[in-house]
Amino acid sequence: NAGVTQTPKFRVLKTGQSMTLLCAQDMNHEYMYWYRQDPGMGLRLIHYSVGEGTTAKGEVPDGYNVSRLKKQNFLLGLESAAPSQTSVYFCASSYSRGSGNTGELFFGEGSRLTVL
Amino acid sequence: GENVEQHPSTLSVQEGDSAVIKCTYSDSASNYFPWYKQELGKRPQLIIDIRSNVGEKKDQRIAVTLNKTAKHFSLHITETQPEDSAVYFCAALNQAGTALIFGKGTTLSVSS
Repeated sequence: NAGVTQTPKFRVLKTGQSMTLLCAQDMNHEYMYWYRQDPGMGLRLIHYSVGEGTTAKGEVPDGYNVSRLKKQNFLLGLESAAPSQTSVYFCASSYSRGSGNTGELFFGEGSRLTVL
Repeated sequence: GENVEQHPSTLSVQEGDSAVIKCTYSDSASNYFPWYKQELGKRPQLIIDIRSNVGEKKDQRIAVTLNKTAKHFSLHITETQPEDSAVYFCAALNQAGTALIFGKGTTLSVSS
C-alpha cells in the first residue's frame, strides 16, 4: 500500500518550458488536491478534484492546468513555466465523508520544482 | 472564499512548557478544523481535528478548542518535547466543504 505517490520528486526547468507532475493514490479516495508550499506562505490550494472527470480551481490556479482522467491519478501541468512557479508541490487525497465534505488529507512526499 | 489566519508565525519554548497556536477563519458555515504537523523535509500529517459540534478535543498532550461564535480555534501542546519541533498548520473547509484552506503555518521550536 504505497499511499500517495508523486513523480518526479525533483525537477529543474527553464522559463517557458512545460512539464507535468503526476500524482497517484491507491486508497480509492474520491478527492484529490494539488497544493504549493512556499516559505512563509503555508500550503496554498492550486486545483482539486472531487471525482473522476471533475476539476475545480483553488486559491492560486493561474498558470496551471489539471486533469483527472482516472480516479487514482491527478495530473498537474505547467504549460509555460515561470520563476514564480518555483516551489514545493504537494499532492493529497482524501475520502468523502458524505454531503460533499472531505476527511483527512493524505499527502505525497512533495515535488521540488525550480524554474530558472 | 474561506480565509484562515494563523498566529504566531514562530514560537520558541523551553522543553516542558506549553505552546498555543491560534487560528481564525472567515466562513461561518465551515464545520471541520484540522491541524497538521510538518517535520523538516517531510510531508504534512494530521495530528488532531475538531468538528463544529464540539468545543474541545484532547489526545494525550495535544488539545484543540473551538469557538464558533468568534470563529477561532486553537492548538494547545502541553509538556513540550524537542520532537514537537515542527511547522504546524491549521485549516478550515472551503465554502463547498470539498477542500481545506490552510493557514500560513507556525514554526515551533522546543529547546532542551
